[in-house]
Amino acid sequence: NAGVTQTPKFQVLKTGQSMTLQCAQDMNHNSMYWYRQDPGMGLRLIYYSASEGTTDKGEVPNGYNVSRLNKREFSLRLESAAPSQTSVYFCASRRTGEKLFFGSGTQLSVL
Amino acid sequence: GIQVEQSPPDLILQEGANSTLRCNFSDSVNNLQWFHQNPWGQLINLFYIPSGTKQNGRLSATTVATERYSLLYISSSQTTDSGVYFCASSKGSARQLTFGSGTQLTVLP
Repeated sequence: NAGVTQTPKFQVLKTGQSMTLQCAQDMNHNSMYWYRQDPGMGLRLIYYSASEGTTDKGEVPNGYNVSRLNKREFSLRLESAAPSQTSVYFCASRRTGEKLFFGSGTQLSVL
Repeated sequence: GIQVEQSPPDLILQEGANSTLRCNFSDSVNNLQWFHQNPWGQLINLFYIPSGTKQNGRLSATTVATERYSLLYISSSQTTDSGVYFCASSKGSARQLTFGSGTQLTVLP
């Protein structure tokens, strides 16, 4: 049982480049989330998906897009990376009314 | 949205000491969770505790929803307890959790 799996673990981009962060969970959870963590800022929600086929903006959605490909997978795309998007990104999932489980994170640097 | 405040922001303990971490939230909630982020960045869910008290080994948590706070107790602390402790909450039918800014705990040997 792998839980929540994120790829890649590390990534360096140049300003303007695009990339997709992948996330998959094998716990049959209906809700999936993308958070970013910056020093001293805690975790801030970028986007979430309450169920397959639905996505909603969180606190800091600008500059990002998401796709809930199926019940297992939820990807986060940066179309044109900016230095302000340098951060650690976490994917998470849960069943409604239950614990939230996190992936191991992706450390992204935008130069 | 809900505001979540944690205190203290930093805490340094000697191994074996006990501690209490506090989480205040601005509105009535139906979802309160505690997490530990270890020094390698991994986030582990400690408790799902919208109300009442739960215990897991040396850790226990209490949420008093009517008074809008939750407490995390760590007894007989160990160096492996070091890291950042976050609480997160949501209200009503909201699916997204709002996180506090965390308590940085350092346990000295």
